[in-house]
Amino acid sequence: DIVMTQSPESLAVSLGERATINCKSSQSLLYRANNKKYLAWYQQKPGQPPKLLINWASTRESGVPDRFSGSESGTDFTLTITSLQAEDVAVYYCQQYHSSPRTFGQGTKVEIK
Amino acid sequence: QITLKESGPTLVKPTQTLTLTCTFSGFSLSTSGVSVSWIRQPPGKAPECLALIYWDDDKRYSPSLKSRLTITKDTSRNQVVLTMTNMDPVDTATYYCAHSGTVRNAFDIWGQGTMVTVSS
Repeated sequence: DIVMTQSPESLAVSLGERATINCKSSQSLLYRANNKKYLAWYQQKPGQPPKLLINWASTRESGVPDRFSGSESGTDFTLTITSLQAEDVAVYYCQQYHSSPRTFGQGTKVEIK
Repeated sequence: QITLKESGPTLVKPTQTLTLTCTFSGFSLSTSGVSVSWIRQPPGKAPECLALIYWDDDKRYSPSLKSRLTITKDTSRNQVVLTMTNMDPVDTATYYCAHSGTVRNAFDIWGQGTMVTVSS
């Protein structure tokens, strides 16, 4: 299985400040046929299912605010929230869909400082 | 609009078999590339993919749980069913079904989930 390692486990950020979440995969998530990396980011609020924010490592889903962005370098991936809003308090997960079984990181809890 | 809804028992006893049904609308599981997955999430933990079924009836299972899982689809009824045998208290979790629109893609739409507790 591909292991996804997220850091930090939790993060407290002041409103309007930047939040950065890291995720590292144990294997390459690059599919050479289309030069895409098969990595997604999800946001989960209490009592709700995960919500897909970013696909293909850096493509925002429709309706996702542009303060959310994804980037990558090799097997390292980053989710950045440029100006944290109160409604962004949640747990964030990375997930690879390059290989079966699809695997998630352990999650990063984002709170307001 | 794509929606999915999970249904099944909220409480099962150890050693029993769990049967969950995902009823969906807004897409067809006979459309090329489409898949439906079952994912579970124990309280306070990360999600875990259990099983996936594609439009062409190809199936994928979690290697660690493969011997206990069966996923099937009923395209005419817009349902996907997951059975898990020999339930144990460690299987207590919220069980979700989720849609992917193309082969090897993320889970773009999730059901609300159903909480299953395993206890005698």
